[in-house]
Amino acid sequence: QSVLTQPPSVSGAPGQRVTISCTGSSSNIGAGYDVHWYQQLPGTAPKLLIYGNSNRPSGVPDRFSGSKSGTSASLAITGLQAEDEADYYCQSYDSSPYWVFGGGTKLTVL
Amino acid sequence: EVQLVESGGGLVQPGRSLRLSCAASGFTFDDYAMHWVRQAPGKGLEWVSGISWNSGSIGYADSVKGRFTISRDNAKNSLYLQMNSLRAEDTALYYCAKELADSSGWYFDYWGQGTLVTVSS
Repeated sequence: QSVLTQPPSVSGAPGQRVTISCTGSSSNIGAGYDVHWYQQLPGTAPKLLIYGNSNRPSGVPDRFSGSKSGTSASLAITGLQAEDEADYYCQSYDSSPYWVFGGGTKLTVL
Repeated sequence: EVQLVESGGGLVQPGRSLRLSCAASGFTFDDYAMHWVRQAPGKGLEWVSGISWNSGSIGYADSVKGRFTISRDNAKNSLYLQMNSLRAEDTALYYCAKELADSSGWYFDYWGQGTLVTVSS
């Protein structure tokens, strides 16, 4: 069982907007630690998608955005495209076991 | 270009040992903390262990504490994971990841392609 909770799956049609939630607790997200998001395309290594709750690394389209409030965070993807089909993971920091991940959310583009 | 290349994975019997390596290039290795993150087949990501730039700070997940040892050789731009008393539940793809620590927290900005460890008799 993961320290951070994500929905196992979400789906949307091309062009639509989807959101993925990440729920933590007072020892991680609620303690003020930032949330980061990773995209894992099928058969590849994870790639940093969002850092510091809402910042995009160079090269990440602005269709991807993140937010954080209280003990939760969200990743939003607008203008859904077929190539967005992947697994998405949130990550934060905790008193123990330090670096924690969500269980992952599989995004299906219908 | 940042590159992280893992090696050392393979099939090993329960109770045996294995040593993973990660060769880093494209950045100043001894400026950054490094980590191992694993992913069991069909499962999510699990942080395994991390080590600071000078090896002065080391941490382990409870699931591997006392069995795994992380180390680094800055002269060789290399990260290692010594895995002892391996169990079936250690079967996973092991990723080497570079940490970036700034005002946005602690996160992993580059990942290797992973090396597969299979523990089975």
